[in-house]
Amino acid sequence: KQEVTQIPAALSVPEGENLVLNCSFTDSAIYNLQWFRQDPGKGLTSLLLIQSSQREQTSGRLNASLDKSSGRSTLYIAASQPGDSATYLCAVRQGNSGYALNFGKGTSLLVTP
Amino acid sequence: DAGITQSPRHKVTETGTPVTLRCHQTENHRYMYWYRQDPGHGLRLIHYSYGVKDTDKGEVSDGYSVSRSKTEDFLLTLESATSSQTSVYFCASSTGGVGDTQYFGPGTRLTVL
Repeated sequence: KQEVTQIPAALSVPEGENLVLNCSFTDSAIYNLQWFRQDPGKGLTSLLLIQSSQREQTSGRLNASLDKSSGRSTLYIAASQPGDSATYLCAVRQGNSGYALNFGKGTSLLVTP
Repeated sequence: DAGITQSPRHKVTETGTPVTLRCHQTENHRYMYWYRQDPGHGLRLIHYSYGVKDTDKGEVSDGYSVSRSKTEDFLLTLESATSSQTSVYFCASSTGGVGDTQYFGPGTRLTVL
C-alpha cells in the first residue's frame, strides 16, 4: 500500500525566506505527482504536476522536483510572502483505483510579515 | 479550473438518517472521485467512477454508496449516517489517463449528531 509522508507537518518562517517542503512515497511505481494548496475551509488548488518521466516543474516562485527512484519530491518556494500561508499537500497517482490520488497529510505553512 | 460544484456545502444531520451529497462537473470528464478529509488522516478515497454507471470502491467505502447516471453528476449516499462520518467531503474529476490533473470541488462539511 502506498504511503505518502510530508515533512515537516508545520512550518513558520519570516517573509522573504526561501523554503523547502518535503514529500516521500514508498512505492516508486507512480504515474505522476501533484502538489496542491489548501486554504482554511477551502478546496484544493493544483499548483504543479510532475509526470513520472520528468525531474521538475516550475511555476512562478514555485519549483517542484521529483526523484522517483528514491521516492522523494520537494516543493521549493522562493521569496516567501504572507499570502503563501496555507496547507500544502503532496499526492501521487498510480494505476489502481481509477488513477485516484494518494495524499500526504500536508505541511501547514505560516509566513509572518 | 474545471467547473466542479458540490451541494449542499454544509449539512447537519442526525445519526441513522440517510444523506446524499451531489457533485456536478461541466468539463465532460470521464473520471470522478469522492474523498473525505479528516484531521490526522489527510484525504482518503471513498469511491470513484470511470464512466456512466461504472463505479468502484476506494480505501474507506464502508457505509457509503455512489451512483452515476450522467457524465456530469456523481452522487454519494450515506445509507445510515454515523458520527464517524462527520467529515469534509471533496469531489474531484479528471479526464483519465496517466498524465492529467485532478480538479477538486469546494467541499461539503457534514456533521452527524
